[in-house]
Amino acid sequence: QSALTQPRSVSGSPGQSVTISCTGTSSDIGDYHYVSWYQQHPGKAPKLMIYDVTERPSGVPDRFSGSKSANTASLTISGLQAEDEADYYCCSYAGSYTFVFGTGTKVTVL
Amino acid sequence: QEQLQESGPGLVKPSGTLSLTCAVSGGFINSGNWYNWVRQPPGKGLEWIGEIFRPGSTNYNPSLKSRVTISIDRSKTQVSLTLTSVTAADTAVYFCASRKELYNWFDPWGQGTLVTVSS
Repeated sequence: QSALTQPRSVSGSPGQSVTISCTGTSSDIGDYHYVSWYQQHPGKAPKLMIYDVTERPSGVPDRFSGSKSANTASLTISGLQAEDEADYYCCSYAGSYTFVFGTGTKVTVL
Repeated sequence: QEQLQESGPGLVKPSGTLSLTCAVSGGFINSGNWYNWVRQPPGKGLEWIGEIFRPGSTNYNPSLKSRVTISIDRSKTQVSLTLTSVTAADTAVYFCASRKELYNWFDPWGQGTLVTVSS
């Protein structure tokens, strides 16, 4: 069970869009519609941003959206804002009642 | 919404046993929830450790399974994590997180507690 692969960092100016990829295998992302995304500010606990690939919990701004194609999931932040600067982690159900997280991506707002 | 709070020793000696507790607020542990442990080494990513639904109903990360035990005490409204034979690689912030039965995401999370493995 290897960690899902994410880019180490992405950046964008305020108002721009950024997309974070999360690549797994046919045994995790490719086989299940159970990808979630978490935002983590320094020294804080992760916060759920997206679940079941595309669903947004109540209270999460609609500028956050998720998608999936084959073994890769993506999180897009549209209309980037300063408070979006944080680390982001994807997570997938990996079968056999286990879960696997991504390597994490640092989003920088320029 | 329930709240989770981790606690335990901040320092454990190499080859020793790490023991942490997650207190669940609200007066009771939701019988419909899985309670998870996730850890994060300093400056690194998240790693799923395992979860418990009820005594005897547990799931573990295969890479840690031989050293991990997760237990639940509903009378004390707490979930416990035990990790044996620790090394410096087990130094991390340990989070507990809740997952509703049949759902596949984690929410809410505790604030985390740092455990350092060092002599």
